[in-house]
Amino acid sequence: QAQLVQSEAEVKKPGASVKVSCKASGYTFTAYGIGWVRQAPGQGLEWMGGISAVNRSTTYAQNLHDRVIMTADTSTSTAYMELRSLRSDDTAVYYCARLFEIYYFDSGTYSHSLDTWGQGTMVIVSS
Amino acid sequence: QSVLTQPPSVSAAPGQKVTISCSGGSSNIGNNYVSWYQRLPGRAPKLLVYDDNERPSGIPDRFSGSKSGTSAALGITGLQTGDEADYYCGTWDSSLSVGVFGGGTKLTVL
Repeated sequence: QAQLVQSEAEVKKPGASVKVSCKASGYTFTAYGIGWVRQAPGQGLEWMGGISAVNRSTTYAQNLHDRVIMTADTSTSTAYMELRSLRSDDTAVYYCARLFEIYYFDSGTYSHSLDTWGQGTMVIVSS
Repeated sequence: QSVLTQPPSVSAAPGQKVTISCSGGSSNIGNNYVSWYQRLPGRAPKLLVYDDNERPSGIPDRFSGSKSGTSAALGITGLQTGDEADYYCGTWDSSLSVGVFGGGTKLTVL
């Protein structure tokens, strides 16, 4: 079955960058997008953005769009999320998830769900 | 402040039923499908419901989703202690062009 395996935990200093990987297996990588979600300590889930299956276009959360880059390497079925200029409030568990999305043109309705999740990668930002 | 509003907590006794609400607006819940996720302590989130009321394979029918207008709900029947978790609603916001989550609801099975 579909599985996503993420890279190990990271500890970074403020101002540095982090790149989290997410290797997919058990399904056709190019048939689905990849979404990224994070959860800071004691907080809820925060949608960070996603990379679409259709044309590998990306969409980012407005509060992150100038610091985050999401990419996908189809040759290795691996997605990446790079976050730059790290701050202490970027300390969180970062999750990748398989993105199932369909846009129904007749109704203008969007189906957007994350149906398989990676195990999470803890990123700690501390001086 | 989350775009979608959920109650911070709900509780019920084992075997009982509980409903978790999720309130939004016309640009998100009112126009797009809603998903529900369960996050057990120390585990990654898991998809429980998609497209308002569809369950992925392997999810028991004790979990059900519904939607009316700009509000959605997750119902859980036959509560078990293993259902204690945080539950999140999520959807797409067409005005913001981003995915959005509710703030999460902590379920306690007394």
